[in-house]
Amino acid sequence: EADIYQTPRYLVIGTGKKITLECSQTMGHDKMYWYQQDPGMELHLIHYSYGVNSTEKGDLSSESTVSRIRTEHFPLTLESARPSHTSQYLCASSERGGFGYTFGSGTRLTVV
Amino acid sequence: GQQLNQSPQSMFIQEGEDVSMNCTSSSIFNTWLWYKQDPGEGPVLLIALYKAGELTSNGRLTAQFGITRKDSFLNISASIPSDVGIYFCAVMNYGGSQGNLIFGKGTKLSVKP
Repeated sequence: EADIYQTPRYLVIGTGKKITLECSQTMGHDKMYWYQQDPGMELHLIHYSYGVNSTEKGDLSSESTVSRIRTEHFPLTLESARPSHTSQYLCASSERGGFGYTFGSGTRLTVV
Repeated sequence: GQQLNQSPQSMFIQEGEDVSMNCTSSSIFNTWLWYKQDPGEGPVLLIALYKAGELTSNGRLTAQFGITRKDSFLNISASIPSDVGIYFCAVMNYGGSQGNLIFGKGTKLSVKP
């Protein structure tokens, strides 16, 4: 039973469209994360948050933006999607100082 | 930045065989984790190791935290088709400003029935 939910699971959109990937967790975790994962398998941290009104950029530069207005919600937005944004996006959460990240099932984004 | 070297990158094995993969670092870490990602899903925590030299089992999975605190290995005994997936090692990056997990690049396991 998933405690972290990502929607949509799959998304195919045209170049130039604005999109928001949703991520919600019901565990009350302070920290949340967005990872980008290409078919080459490696997980790249693109954004993270320590809590409400906190957002930080990760190790991999990304044109996406995030917001954290509520503890349970950490959406990721692309203002103008491009084919280079085609990838899988994984959301995760953890307790502050916790090691066990809980991941969502991911959103597989294809920009055509 | 700090990196984890995970090997092998991929494995193709026959059902019933044992599997071994490892993860090394040039730095000392006090917590090592192993995650598994099923196809089409997010990674799930399998085993967490908190003490150097510690050997921990979870069913057919056994993981060890190296005595030098710079490595860890994961063994899977008697593999079955549902073991297919990508296995990631991870450590907590206390150094620097992030306090986030560092993930290895993954070992992709394929099991032939």
